[in-house]
Amino acid sequence: EDQVTQSPEALRLQEGESSSLNCSYTVSGLRGLFWYRQDPGKGPEFLFTLYSAGEEKEKERLKATLTKKESFLHITAPKPEDSATYLCAINAGNMLTFGGGTRLMVKP
Amino acid sequence: DGGITQSPKYLFRKEGQNVTLSCEQNLNHDAMYWYRQDPGQGLRLIYYSQIVNDFQKGDIAEGYSVSREKKESFPLTVTSAQKNPTAFYLCATRGRGSYEQYFGPGTRLTVT
Repeated sequence: EDQVTQSPEALRLQEGESSSLNCSYTVSGLRGLFWYRQDPGKGPEFLFTLYSAGEEKEKERLKATLTKKESFLHITAPKPEDSATYLCAINAGNMLTFGGGTRLMVKP
Repeated sequence: DGGITQSPKYLFRKEGQNVTLSCEQNLNHDAMYWYRQDPGQGLRLIYYSQIVNDFQKGDIAEGYSVSREKKESFPLTVTSAQKNPTAFYLCATRGRGSYEQYFGPGTRLTVT
């Protein structure tokens, strides 16, 4: 059975304090690992797709990396506007399996 | 203005009533999905459709029904058989040849 586990559940950072979010997964036949950002009361916003181990993607202060067992979302020098819930999902067919998310709070 | 629209943003119903949530897209995407999100939890798949006039159950289809009569539209009906209907409902689409799903703004349903 496909499974996605995200850690930590919540993370509090000071502005400028870099950190990483973890997404561990088990799947037979990965067709993509996806990161989304979700603001309260809104739909998830697509950030990145990673397809193979060793792949990296960057967007502003965010960088996503992928190994055969997990993915990291690195946040460099975060700002308060980076506060959101970050969701990880895997695709092993026509459907996505989501983790529970990491709620990131960045204080000024 | 392109994208995915869900209406209404907030919906209130009395227990025992069926309610239909709207999802429309003008992205020309073939596949459409309905998810449910409960506070502090990840997304759970209710139903999905890869082509017009065809749809499949997801992990939590009991108490829900869908139709896909047009490519642009995938309405979800929450029936009175759904035991805990209060939740945030999200519609998503996926284009042919890609695996990314794109989400609408969501509908928050409250049943009392």
